[in-house]
Amino acid sequence: DTAVSQTPKYLVTQMGNDKSIKCEQNLGHDTMYWYKQDSKKFLKIMFSYNNKELIINETVPNRFSPKSPDKAHLNLHINSLELGDSAVYFCASSQEYGRVAVETQYFGPGTRLLVL
Amino acid sequence: RKEVEQDPGPFNVPEGATVAFNCTYSNSASQSFFWYRQDCRKEPKLLMSVYSSGNEDGRFTAQLNRASQYISLLIRDSKLSDSATYLCVVNYRNQFYFGTGTSLTVIP
Repeated sequence: DTAVSQTPKYLVTQMGNDKSIKCEQNLGHDTMYWYKQDSKKFLKIMFSYNNKELIINETVPNRFSPKSPDKAHLNLHINSLELGDSAVYFCASSQEYGRVAVETQYFGPGTRLLVL
Repeated sequence: RKEVEQDPGPFNVPEGATVAFNCTYSNSASQSFFWYRQDCRKEPKLLMSVYSSGNEDGRFTAQLNRASQYISLLIRDSKLSDSATYLCVVNYRNQFYFGTGTSLTVIP
């Protein structure tokens, strides 16, 4: 039974299109994240939500908009896709305890986005 | 300056060898520390947490040196299946910071 799932696994699209990636976790965690891993394999935080509330919003273009309908889901919508958006996008979740020293993160399998 | 720095490698070692990775972090108030493993085209997975007193899990030993702000991972008796990228992760103010990873290839 998958703990953190993402759809789609692969996404190939043209520049200028709008696309969404969905993420769901069944671990009962309060916090969910989106990361981008570029071609150099560097994993960088994009957004973090705690109980549907945005708590981290790193410097990403405002073409990227996260949405959390409930604490088990965190979706990522990308407008006007650009070549530089090509990367692997990972969703993750973790449990916080009193906002101190969160426990480990569990990652989804990733969505490989290729913008042509 | 990056929050977490690692030597990217690659480290190519023969089976049975002992290999060590180090990682430094910039923020002295960092709260928790981890090593993750990432296989090719897969997601990162927790290998082990790192505790102040040092901890061991089978062939893997992790150490934390808060004074010098570095974390280490020692792998003894390397197996072919240990080939992967090892990511050093530091938590500061409830945000996870990842190193760029160290690539390990264990050769038969």
